[in-house]
Parts: sequence; C-alpha cells; structure tokens
Amino acid sequence: DVVMTQTPPSLSVAIGQSVSISCKSSQSLVYSDGKTYLHWLLQSPGRSPKRLIYQVSNLGSGVPDRFSGTGSQKDFTLKISRVEAEDLGVYYCAQTTHFPYTFGAGTKLELK
Amino acid sequence: EVQLVESGGSLVQPGGSLKLSCVASGFTFSNYWMDWVRQTPGKSLEWIGEINTDGSKTNYAPSIKDRFTISRDNAKSTLYLQMSNVKSDDTAIYYCNILFVYWGQGTLVTVSS
Repeated sequence: DVVMTQTPPSLSVAIGQSVSISCKSSQSLVYSDGKTYLHWLLQSPGRSPKRLIYQVSNLGSGVPDRFSGTGSQKDFTLKISRVEAEDLGVYYCAQTTHFPYTFGAGTKLELK
Repeated sequence: EVQLVESGGSLVQPGGSLKLSCVASGFTFSNYWMDWVRQTPGKSLEWIGEINTDGSKTNYAPSIKDRFTISRDNAKSTLYLQMSNVKSDDTAIYYCNILFVYWGQGTLVTVSS
C-alpha cells in the first residue's frame, strides 16, 4: 500500500496566520495518464470530511482561494493563507492513483 | 442539492453480518462511481472499496476483501455494503461518498460481544 505521511500532526495557529501542511507518499502518485491523483480533505469537528483540493492544486467547488496546493511526484503541500475560524479541524491528504486508495493520518489545526 | 444518507449501522457480534445502505438524491446516481470509506474512533480514514456505475465492477481494499461486498440498485438510487464475518477492528463510522467529493453523515458500526 502507498503510505501517506503527513506533518505536522497538529498545528496551533492564530486567526489571520498562514500555515502549511506537508504530505509525502511512499511512491510516485503520477498515474499512467500523466495526472497526479493527490487530494486534500478537511474534516471539521463533528462533521463528515469535505474535499478541498483535487489533483494536487485544483480547488473544489466553493472552496475559498485562501487554500492552495502544490507539489509533484511524492511531495505535496497544502497552504492556508489567512486562517479563519471555519478552517479549524483535521486535514487529510489522500491518494487515488494506486489501489488501495490511502489517506494520511491527518493534521489537526487548532486555535492558538 | 446532493444528499447521501447512510443507515443500517448497529451493534453486531464478532463473526456476524450486517448490511449498510446509502440512499442518494440530488444527482443522477447511475452516472457515478461510488465509494465506501470508514473512520475508526479517533483515527484516520480507511478506504474500503468502490463500485462502477452499473455495478459490474468493484475494487476493494485487501484488509476487507472477501468479507465485504459492495453493490448498488440504480433504480432505487441506493448503494449497499454487505459486511460478513465482522471483527472488532471493523468498529467504525462508515461513510458512502462520491469519489471523496460528497459524503454522507456516516453510520456507526460497533462490533462487540
């Protein structure tokens, strides 16, 4: 299985601060079609997960442009500019390039 | 509005069986691959498997293969997860979703004697 390693496990931030979350995969996530199926999800407290970014850098519908994703091959980053209260929760990276699809362990974003 | 509503979760004994359902609305269910993902208490997410649009193809995680079966009824816009020979490690919230984009609220399965 592809292992997804997220760091840090938790982040304490102030509103308005910018933060970055790293996600590294044990194998390249480039599929045979040339696309990279690395996604970022947010699970707000008591809620189901919600997809924020798909294929490394594409914002999901309705996702504010404070969120951005970068990376390639095995090394990816989610950046949140100007954190707002609604951004708090657990962020997961996920890959759907290789079976079985796998998730990172999550990064918990909390208020400082 | 896309809605996915899971049901069927309950307390089940080790070795027992359970069938989860996920009723979809707000989109053309028969046009989309569907997935099941579970989340163990306080832990991360685990992909269980997926099914194609007409139900003729499925892919499963090795951890549950041969114990769980995914199926669908497009006429009823309903996705199913048949769980058999369940173990304590199967205790989790089970979510149906459309390729990680839209998720249901989840249904809790507890495996315990």
